[in-house]
Amino acid sequence: DSGVTQTPKHLITATGQRVTLRCSPRSGDLSVYWYQQSLDQGLQFLIQYYNGEERAKGNILERFSAQQFPDLHSELNLSSLELGDSALYFCASSVALAYNEQFFGPGTRLTVL
Amino acid sequence: GIQVEQSPPDLILQEGANSTLRCNFSDSVNNLQWFHQNPWGQLINLFYIPSGTKQNGRLSATTVATERYSLLYISSSQTTDSGVYFCAVISSGSARQLTFGSGTQLTVLP
Repeated sequence: DSGVTQTPKHLITATGQRVTLRCSPRSGDLSVYWYQQSLDQGLQFLIQYYNGEERAKGNILERFSAQQFPDLHSELNLSSLELGDSALYFCASSVALAYNEQFFGPGTRLTVL
Repeated sequence: GIQVEQSPPDLILQEGANSTLRCNFSDSVNNLQWFHQNPWGQLINLFYIPSGTKQNGRLSATTVATERYSLLYISSSQTTDSGVYFCAVISSGSARQLTFGSGTQLTVLP
């Protein structure tokens, strides 16, 4: 158990819908990262928050957004869902802004029908 | 951006055999991690090893940062070692995120 929690574990929804994925980092970690794992793209970085502020952005679609709250948990919002958004979404956390070891949550498996 | 290549892409072993997985990266790095993704999809941290050598039980890893590669050794493999092994790096400079290789799919047969 990495100490990073994600909910829900599985999510099945329809095209056009909106979902919210939730992540709680390890105790004491200030950085939260979101990654997407799909069959065709592999594991890709989406976005990073550090102590409530967005600090780095990867290949995140405009239909996706995230935020980190004062208690340091983070939410990833996915809207206008398409079939291609079906993937495993991971949250990771680390203690500092950069270069430290990242610990991954169990992931949320999203299926868009 | 930085490129991460892993080899071999697939590996099938008999239980008890040893193996070496390789990770090459195209630029200098400040972070290198090895992960095991089990059949349930969980990413399990194996090593944080931007340089040097570490050992944890039957697993060990070596990173030669100056030559831009890392090796993961698995000895006396067990069926529970099956899964995908990923190498991931953070390049030196302003990058914050891990860049993952495409993984090595390991199957250990009883």
